[in-house]
Amino acid sequence: SAVISQKPSRDICQRGTSLTIQCQVDSQVTMMFWYRQQPGQSLTLIATANQGSEATYESGFVIDKFPISRPNLTFSTLTVSNMSPEDSSIYLCSAQAWASYEQYFGPGTRLTVT
Amino acid sequence: GQQVMQIPQYQHVQEGEDFTTYCNSSTTLSNIQWYKQRPGGHPVFLIQLVKSGEVKKQKRLTFQFGEAKKNSSLHITATQTTDVGTYFCAGLRDGTASKLTFGTGTRLQVTL
Repeated sequence: SAVISQKPSRDICQRGTSLTIQCQVDSQVTMMFWYRQQPGQSLTLIATANQGSEATYESGFVIDKFPISRPNLTFSTLTVSNMSPEDSSIYLCSAQAWASYEQYFGPGTRLTVT
Repeated sequence: GQQVMQIPQYQHVQEGEDFTTYCNSSTTLSNIQWYKQRPGGHPVFLIQLVKSGEVKKQKRLTFQFGEAKKNSSLHITATQTTDVGTYFCAGLRDGTASKLTFGTGTRLQVTL
C-alpha cells in the first residue's frame, strides 16, 4: 500500500484568489488522481495527473481553473484558481497501486471560500 | 455518461443486525471496488472484484459481483459500531485508463 500526505489540510480563502494543494506519496506510483467531494456526497473525479505530460480532465473541469502538475512519480499539485464560494469542498488526491487498480487516498484538503 | 447508483442512501441498524448495500452500474464494468469512509476521514480501499459472479469474504463482510458485471453488493453480518461510515462502490470500465466512477454511497449508522 501507499501512504499519501496532503498539504494544507484545510484553508479558508477569499474569492478571486488561488490555492495550491500538494500531494506526496511515500513510494513511486503509476497513476495519480484528484477528486472533489462535497460534504455528505460522493467523489467526483477532476483529473488524472500524468507524469511528464498534461493532466487529463473530466467533463466539467478545465485546466485554466484547475491546473495540475506532476513533476515525478511521487508528487502532484492541484491549484484551484480564481476561487468562488462554489469551489468550497474537500479535495482529495489518490494514487493507484502498481499492478492493481486499487487506489489509496490522501487525508484531503478542506477548502472554504468566503 | 456512466452512472453508479447505490441503495439505500442511508441505513440505521442496531448493533448485531445485518446490513446490505447494493450497487448498480448503467454500463458493464471490468472491475468493481469497495471503499469505506469513516466520518471526517478519507476513503479506504476494502476489496476489488474482477470476475463475473465472484464472491469474496473479509471476516464479517461479504462482497459479490453480479453475473452481468453491472451490479455488486456488500453484506455485513452482525454489525458493530466500528462499521459506522459511508460505503462506496467504484466501478472501472474497460478502456477508461484506470478511472473509477464512484457510486452514490450508503451511509451506515450503528447504535447499541
